[in-house]
Amino acid sequence: DQQVKQNSPSLSVQEGRISILNCDYTNSMFDYFLWYKKYPAEGPTFLISISSIKDKNEDGRFTVFLNKSAKHLSLHIVPSQPGDSAVYFCAASSRTSGTYKYIFGTGTRLKVLA
Amino acid sequence: GAVVSQHPSWVICKSGTSVKIECRSLDFQATTMFWYRQFPKQSLMLMATSNEGSKATYEQGVEKDKFLINHASLTLSTLTVTSAHPEDSSFYICSAKRGQTLNQPQHFGDGTRLSIL
Repeated sequence: DQQVKQNSPSLSVQEGRISILNCDYTNSMFDYFLWYKKYPAEGPTFLISISSIKDKNEDGRFTVFLNKSAKHLSLHIVPSQPGDSAVYFCAASSRTSGTYKYIFGTGTRLKVLA
Repeated sequence: GAVVSQHPSWVICKSGTSVKIECRSLDFQATTMFWYRQFPKQSLMLMATSNEGSKATYEQGVEKDKFLINHASLTLSTLTVTSAHPEDSSFYICSAKRGQTLNQPQHFGDGTRLSIL
């Protein structure tokens, strides 16, 4: 049972345009969400997070939107740069679980074309 | 910023060998560390949560006798793959969490690629 899903395995975007990566979840107990970026043979790098009490969080070129009713979050990157090309994972966590463990999505490979 | 160091980055060994992977938090104390496994083109699957000074909590389906975890200090957790076989070949990644609040992200090491011949 995949609790966190990224239905698009890949995405290609022209440099300078907006990249939108999507993530859906099924567990309504999740209340903290994160996006990580991963290059091959490296560990994931934290990008941005959002608590369920918010619906938007912005950090530079990265904005995360959370739609709790739809159990959906998205990551917007604007403007997209070739260096953004990587695999992006969303992750979700539940404060009530008492642990800090994350459930990761399957990842979306973003390719930004110069 | 937070840095998590993982060593070794790549291991090739014969079937039946035991392999130890180290995960260190370099500039913060981590009471909780996590061990993940990633198969090619798949997601990161949590194997276990490592708590300093206590036993690790394993996820369902993960053999605790196969994957031994020791979190002996606030900056070091180790994962030992005992009597490794080819099916254990994978990319293993650790992460560490700074602080006790939920809203602190996990910081990841660069992973260890384990290849069992």
